[in-house]
Amino acid sequence: SAVISQKPSRDICQRGTSLTIQCQVDSQVTMMFWYRQQPGQSLTLIATANQGSEATYESGFVIDKFPISRPNLTFSTLTVSNMSPEDSSIYLCSVEQGHKNIQYFGAGTRLSVL
Amino acid sequence: SQKIEQNSEALNIQEGKTATLTCNYTNYSPAYLQWYRQDPGRGPVFLLLIRENEKEKRKERLKVTFDTTLKQSLFHITASQPADSATYLCALDNSNSGYALNFGKGTSLLVTP
Repeated sequence: SAVISQKPSRDICQRGTSLTIQCQVDSQVTMMFWYRQQPGQSLTLIATANQGSEATYESGFVIDKFPISRPNLTFSTLTVSNMSPEDSSIYLCSVEQGHKNIQYFGAGTRLSVL
Repeated sequence: SQKIEQNSEALNIQEGKTATLTCNYTNYSPAYLQWYRQDPGRGPVFLLLIRENEKEKRKERLKVTFDTTLKQSLFHITASQPADSATYLCALDNSNSGYALNFGKGTSLLVTP
């Protein structure tokens, strides 16, 4: 199974600033996903990031607010731009490995926006 | 719209008993259904996957059933232990996004000694 490292694990940010979250995988994977988990809520898919193509965003999420990079098969970043308190949440990256439909998750980034 | 519903109330059971968690879905025709475990401060961890043509799947003390007619999955933990205390998430394939998943809100399980 893939091992995923996310940085930072948590951060407190000021309104209007941006934060970039990094996701590093210990093996090459084609598909990476970014999710958001708001307090007491389920995980909500933000976007799918495949290497070599533009990220595909789910309804309600836009590239200007959540730009994603996927420079290679082991790394991705998600930026939360122009943050507001409503962006306070846990952000998780995951990968699908081996076409078995199983996902492996990082520990998440807990973001608080003041 | 597609919905996944899990018991929102926490489930408290005594050690040694069997815990049963429910996942109901609507407006889905999933090819498979998965269960994950999430501990505080951690990402979800995969437990079991069951396909639409499978009725039941077992792994050690875990058992999952999948009834596509009722649109329901049951997740059982037999001989429960305090270490089983966590939130359990049901997930279905996101038909719009390839291998991405849609998750339920999860059910919190507390096993007391």
